[in-house]
Amino acid sequence: EAGVAQSPRYKIIEKRQSVAFWCNPISGHATLYWYQQILGQGPKLLIQFQNNGVVDDSQLPKDRFSAERLKGVDSTLKIQPAKLEDSAVYLCASSPLGSNYGYTFGSGTRLTVV
Amino acid sequence: GDSVTQMEGPVTLSEEAFLTINCTYTATGYPSLFWYVQYPGEGLQLLLKATKADDKGSNKGFEATYRKETTSFHLEKGSVQVSDSAVYFCALSDREGTGFQKLVFGTGTRLLVSP
Repeated sequence: EAGVAQSPRYKIIEKRQSVAFWCNPISGHATLYWYQQILGQGPKLLIQFQNNGVVDDSQLPKDRFSAERLKGVDSTLKIQPAKLEDSAVYLCASSPLGSNYGYTFGSGTRLTVV
Repeated sequence: GDSVTQMEGPVTLSEEAFLTINCTYTATGYPSLFWYVQYPGEGLQLLLKATKADDKGSNKGFEATYRKETTSFHLEKGSVQVSDSAVYFCALSDREGTGFQKLVFGTGTRLLVSP
């Protein structure tokens, strides 16, 4: 089966600019996650979708970050405006509904804010 | 809230040496436990898992046992190879808060294996 697809692979922007990341989960996976991985740290959950509804966005900086999952499939994560501290790898993952057996991660998008 | 603590790296070993990477956790519920591996330039890959106390997860020569009494899930391998060089993340999955499963990660431990 195809894995979790993410694009772009790399992005460099200036602070205060906006940026968007795209994720296509594994077909049939109801749950989709966006994680932020800052260099030297473990991934931190930003937002979790169940189909096209948000079930956890408690760690999402909502003043600058937004995410949507249209039709319960693809998802987009946006940052506007970006700050230097947003430099990180943004990982998308998906899992079947109710799965307790780990997720499948995409390769991530490495964002550098200069 | 739930948390995972891993030993700091890097862990530097010679090929064929024995590996242990310590991991302890704090959880309000009864979590499942995982080890993920991240090779350079790649995404996270599930290495092994355990869903209940005394379960042993194993894969590719790596093992970890779910120890509820010590809240630990230490990763071991009897003989490491150069190709095992990567960052290893311990994680737990719990329903804390929202009632939905979510993964909480440790900070990762870098393993460097020399020939």
